[in-house]
Amino acid sequence: EVQLVESGGGLVQPGGSLRLSCAASGFTFSSYSMNWVRQAPGKGLEWVSYISSSSSTIYYADSVKGRFTISRDNAKNSLYLQMNSLRDEDTAVYYCARSWAVNGDYDYWGQGTLVTVSS
Amino acid sequence: SYELTQPLSVSVALGQTARITCGGNNIGSKNVHWYQQKPGQAPVLVIYRDSNRPSGIPERFSGSNSGNTATLTISRAQAGDEADYYCQVWDSSTAVFGGGTKLTVL
Repeated sequence: EVQLVESGGGLVQPGGSLRLSCAASGFTFSSYSMNWVRQAPGKGLEWVSYISSSSSTIYYADSVKGRFTISRDNAKNSLYLQMNSLRDEDTAVYYCARSWAVNGDYDYWGQGTLVTVSS
Repeated sequence: SYELTQPLSVSVALGQTARITCGGNNIGSKNVHWYQQKPGQAPVLVIYRDSNRPSGIPERFSGSNSGNTATLTISRAQAGDEADYYCQVWDSSTAVFGGGTKLTVL
C-alpha cells in the first residue's frame, strides 16, 4: 500500500524557518517524481514545488522561489521542503504528492502537515 | 501566467448528472487532471489525462477536454459525491490548479 506521511509542521514566527519531511513507503520511491502542494485555510490548492526522481529537475512556484528548497533522499525514501523567510501567507496545510512525470497527475497524496506563520 | 477558471459552486439533484467546467486558453492542448477533496481530507485523483479513471473510481466519473474547456461529469450523483473538485494542468514549468468548485447534491 502506497503511503506518504508528512511531518515537521508547526507554529513559526514570520521570518523563521521550518523543514518539512515526507516519508514514503509501499512503492519504489526512486522511480517517481514528487511534489509539494499547499492549501491555505479555507482556500484552494496551490502547487509549491516539483522534484524529479533523480533530483535533476526542480521547479518552484514564483511565490516561494528563493525562499523554499525541495530535496529528496532516495536511500531514505524521503522528500523534504526547507522553508526559509516564512511569511504570514505561507500559512497552510502542506501536502506531498507523487507523480509519474513533471506534467503528470498526482496519484497519491499524504494527509498533510499544518504550517502556521504567526507572531 | 496560465489561469484555470472553475465555477464556485454547482448543484445537482440526487441521481442526476453534474457537470463541472474548467476553462483555460486552449486547454484542449493540455493534459487535464481532476481531484476530489472532502472536508478535512487530502485530495483524491478522480480523472487523469482528460478522461482516464484511476482504479477504484466509479464509472460514474468521466471527463472530456476540447477547445477552451475541460469538463468533469458525474452521472447518477450520490450524496457521497459532495465535495470540492479541482482541475489541474501543467504549463511553462508550473503546475496550475483551478480555484475549485463546491458540488452540492440536493
